[in-house]
Amino acid sequence: KNEVEQSPQNLTAQEGEFITINCSYSVGISALHWLQQHPGGGIVSLFMLSSGKKKHGRLIATINIQEKHSSLHITASHPRDSAVYICAPHSGGGADGLTFGKGTHLIIQP
Amino acid sequence: DGGITQSPKYLFRKEGQNVTLSCEQNLNHDAMYWYRQDPGQGLRLIYYSQIVNDFQKGDIAEGYSVSREKKESFPLTVTSAQKNPTAFYLCASSIIGGQPQHFGDGTRLSIL
Repeated sequence: KNEVEQSPQNLTAQEGEFITINCSYSVGISALHWLQQHPGGGIVSLFMLSSGKKKHGRLIATINIQEKHSSLHITASHPRDSAVYICAPHSGGGADGLTFGKGTHLIIQP
Repeated sequence: DGGITQSPKYLFRKEGQNVTLSCEQNLNHDAMYWYRQDPGQGLRLIYYSQIVNDFQKGDIAEGYSVSREKKESFPLTVTSAQKNPTAFYLCASSIIGGQPQHFGDGTRLSIL
């Protein structure tokens, strides 16, 4: 089973700061997901990537397959970015190949 | 707008009772999933279904049951055999099986 480590577990920052959340995993993967969980519990899929970098608005996700590491960056952070961010690498196969990290709880203060 | 609807948002169960959580999607997705989330833990897969009338157990299927009689619906029953049912339950779907694309808002189940 894939061991997934996210860091930091908790992060509080000021509005406008550049945010980085890291994810390391132990087993080779076919793809990796970044998810955002809102305070009410609903989850939104942000990115699915298997190599390189993807950008959507102020969010950037990168992955280094050789180093088994991915990062999620938020530029010009805003209080509405406050959420739990979850990394989920997929090691192939079916739905049971997806392992979820415990999440990074991000708070952006105005 | 297309999406996944989970109901109810909060559910209470007496010990010894079965309870069913609803999950409906209008995305025309073939695959649907149920996950359980406990405080400080990652999501864990309970059951998933890749097509109608077919489903597979996930990592923590004991004490749960599902059905997939319609493409749009994938209800989860938490049976009295589940000894620690208090948790947050999330339903998800995807166009094809393997990796969920859309998630519902979840149901929080508590034991009275």
